[in-house]
Amino acid sequence: EIVLTQSPGTLSLSPGERATLSCRASQSISTSYIAWYQQKPGQAPRLLVYGASNRATGIPDRFSGSGSATDFILTISRLEPEDIAVYYCQQYGNSPPWTFGQGTKVEIK
Amino acid sequence: EVQLAESGGGLVRPGGSLRLSCTASAFTLSNAWMSWVRQAPGKGLEWVGRIKSKSDGGTIDYAAPLKGRFTIARDDSKNILYLQMNSLKTEDTAVYYCTMIHYEILTGYLVSWGQGTLVTVSS
Repeated sequence: EIVLTQSPGTLSLSPGERATLSCRASQSISTSYIAWYQQKPGQAPRLLVYGASNRATGIPDRFSGSGSATDFILTISRLEPEDIAVYYCQQYGNSPPWTFGQGTKVEIK
Repeated sequence: EVQLAESGGGLVRPGGSLRLSCTASAFTLSNAWMSWVRQAPGKGLEWVGRIKSKSDGGTIDYAAPLKGRFTIARDDSKNILYLQMNSLKTEDTAVYYCTMIHYEILTGYLVSWGQGTLVTVSS
């Protein structure tokens, strides 16, 4: 099973600042089968990024994904108050099980 | 717009069983790969399992700790996905989400999510 480790656990930033969220895999993920999800309090998760770097439909361009092999990054270029949420990475390789990281909580300072 | 509506959650005693349903709207369930994800109170997301479309073989995969107790099934004629949960434990207490997979060459990502249904296992 591929283990995903996200860091930091909590990120506290001011509006307009850049947020960098990390997701590290215990083994290389082929074809960058990594997705990122945003979960706001009391809501279901929402897909942000798939294939490591492709924004999902309707996602603002301040969100971007990058990385390959074992190291992946989600960047929020200019933090907005509505970006307060927990962010999860997930690997969806050809061979299950699929796994999630433990999440990074983004707070507004 | 794709809609997924889970139902069937509630309070159940340890050792009991429960069947969750997920009613799909605005798309044809028979063409879709689907997945269940759960989230214990205050915790992160946990993948439960996945079912492929019948045209892709209908294969079902589960998270290892749940295999043998949980069963995913589909009734394409009714556009409903199921999760049968047996021998429930207190640690199965969670919100259970139904998700639709966007299929792309042997796998796919979780493109649409329902609002979830809460299952509480307690005596």
